[in-house]
Amino acid sequence: NAGVTQTPKFRVLKTGQSMTLLCAQDMNHEYMYWYRQDPGMGLRLIHYSVGEGTTAKGEVPDGYNVSRLKKQNFLLGLESAAPSQTSVYFCASHLGPWNTGELFFGEGSRLTVL
Amino acid sequence: KQEVTQIPAALSVPEGENLVLNCSFTDSAIYNLQWFRQDPGKGLTSLLLIQSSQREQTSGRLNASLDKSSGRSTLYIAASQPGDSATYLCAKGGGSQGNLIFGKGTKLSVKP
Repeated sequence: NAGVTQTPKFRVLKTGQSMTLLCAQDMNHEYMYWYRQDPGMGLRLIHYSVGEGTTAKGEVPDGYNVSRLKKQNFLLGLESAAPSQTSVYFCASHLGPWNTGELFFGEGSRLTVL
Repeated sequence: KQEVTQIPAALSVPEGENLVLNCSFTDSAIYNLQWFRQDPGKGLTSLLLIQSSQREQTSGRLNASLDKSSGRSTLYIAASQPGDSATYLCAKGGGSQGNLIFGKGTKLSVKP
């Protein structure tokens, strides 16, 4: 009963490097989200997807790209990492319909950019 | 801009006390209100979900209420235990992008 799984859980990058965070859910959910959580800022939406093959920008999308090639996976990419992207990243999913239903979170991915 | 506010930011109580956590939100357009628990270094776990047509939800020692007219929700925890120590976040469904708008949380510490 995995739920929402994020990999990797920890990563340290140098400024300018790129990386991809993977989110996988086994609940057949249509809607998936990437949030970042920073002290004093709360949770902020980066990008989201309402179904396979769809993506949309959230509140803080700059510097990130996403893809949803398969329904169960939602990838978050950092093209050229910056220290401001040091954060804890959370993936979440829910069944829908739109904006209803319980939201399930992964355990988080802690990223440090030096 | 839609906002969700949680007061207080931190709360410390002795074991056994009943307590109330507060959540207020701007914009009465709301689909639902969810309460989450977050333990240190962990993800968020959904505790209670109140749809806009409901006034409250209960699960065990937890009771959450929703008053759309005043833009408030409360989470009531009965007979608190040290294991309840965590950060509690509320989130309002109804963001402009269909997402949840989160408060910054209340960090609860229950002392034995």
